[in-house]
Amino acid sequence: SQQGEEDPQALSIQEGENATMNCSYKTSINNLQWYRQNSGRGLVHLILIRSNEREKHSGRLRVTLDTSKKSSSLLITASRAADTASYFCATDGFTGANSKLTFGKGITLSVRP
Amino acid sequence: NAGVMQNPRHLVRRRGQEARLRCSPMKGHSHVYWYRQLPEEGLKFMVYLQKENIIDESGMPKERFSAEFPKEGPSILRIQQVVRGDSAAYFCASSRRGLSNGYTFGSGTRLTVV
Repeated sequence: SQQGEEDPQALSIQEGENATMNCSYKTSINNLQWYRQNSGRGLVHLILIRSNEREKHSGRLRVTLDTSKKSSSLLITASRAADTASYFCATDGFTGANSKLTFGKGITLSVRP
Repeated sequence: NAGVMQNPRHLVRRRGQEARLRCSPMKGHSHVYWYRQLPEEGLKFMVYLQKENIIDESGMPKERFSAEFPKEGPSILRIQQVVRGDSAAYFCASSRRGLSNGYTFGSGTRLTVV
């Protein structure tokens, strides 16, 4: 079964609005990461948050992590049409080397110009 | 630094043929991971390799699939006797020390079995 489950599955917003995407997971993690995938392309790493962190910012991105609820959220502020893509959360349960990521099914974000 | 290079970008094979997917990791990276993405799905882990060693192949189908990462040259994911259900995008990622905060993904190979 998937470790990460994103919510909602699809999101459509107007340019300039904020987009909030959620991810829940089942087991203990070392870190949680968010990736973006444009249609037909590879994955681009957006941001990583460690299990001992609660919030992290990177430009227009803000990610939160609640380990007690086993959930994370990704907020994209002042969205742009270029933000249209699929967004995936991925978790890593290992603390050392030989790690591997477990991905959710993704959220399709459409930003209308 | 060319990043993680995968080729071919698109591959079409008839049922029963063999598919060979190649991945050259980033310079200085000795850890390679293969993931498969089915349509409308997330990425599923297949195999994790270091040079000349398979570290974790828990996501590999038991039959027809194999992977290698030789001392010289790219990592190869081989699928023998392909079937329609193998049609997917196959992504490779590499990292320097086997830590997930160092992943860099390639652009993927899209395999279509006809």
